[in-house]
Amino acid sequence: AQKITQTQPGMFVQEKEAVTLDCTYDTSDQSYGLFWYKQPSSGEMIFLIYQGSYDEQNATEGRYSLNFQKARKSANLVISASQLGDSAMYFCAMREKDTGRRALTFGSGTRLQVQP
Amino acid sequence: DGGITQSPKYLFRKEGQNVTLSCEQNLNHDAMYWYRQDPGQGLRLIYYSQIVNDFQKGDIAEGYSVSREKKESFPLTVTSAQKNPTAFYLCASTRGMARNTEAFFGQGTRLTVV
Repeated sequence: AQKITQTQPGMFVQEKEAVTLDCTYDTSDQSYGLFWYKQPSSGEMIFLIYQGSYDEQNATEGRYSLNFQKARKSANLVISASQLGDSAMYFCAMREKDTGRRALTFGSGTRLQVQP
Repeated sequence: DGGITQSPKYLFRKEGQNVTLSCEQNLNHDAMYWYRQDPGQGLRLIYYSQIVNDFQKGDIAEGYSVSREKKESFPLTVTSAQKNPTAFYLCASTRGMARNTEAFFGQGTRLTVV
């Protein structure tokens, strides 16, 4: 089974509008961390936001917020006031604590295109 | 500035050749990772290392080898046994392996078999 599922291969949004990128995850661990990364066309991975499984409040970082619904195992990224520079691939990732391996597991990504 | 340096940025390999991708970090991070990314796909874990002289296979280790002789270096060798090595390779590091530890990435190496 997929650990991280991103069901939106591509998304379009108008500049200055908000957009939600979906992410669902699968784990039996009680302690885990969820991450979102941005990958511009240049290829580097840019960390955006983190949510811990025990965090009661949704994480926010500037224009980025994470809509965390633990019971539904979803961790959607919300980008407010989209900018042209937000056009990129976005990846959801998870690190589980209780399993032996603690490397990040990534979803397949969502390509976001911001239109003027 | 601290960071992760991958070299070369572009690499061309003839079929049947081994090639080594370099990854160096000056962040004093304990853990290092190699990921492979195919076009339009997510990242898949090849190998990772939590400490010097120790490393573990990831999900797609066949046809690859690594070494971790120094804390700051984690080179990846793509061997001739790797049947489809053309891909984008990303190296990453973390301070530790706690669940909230952010991973820092290099700029990547794009490998093409010619």
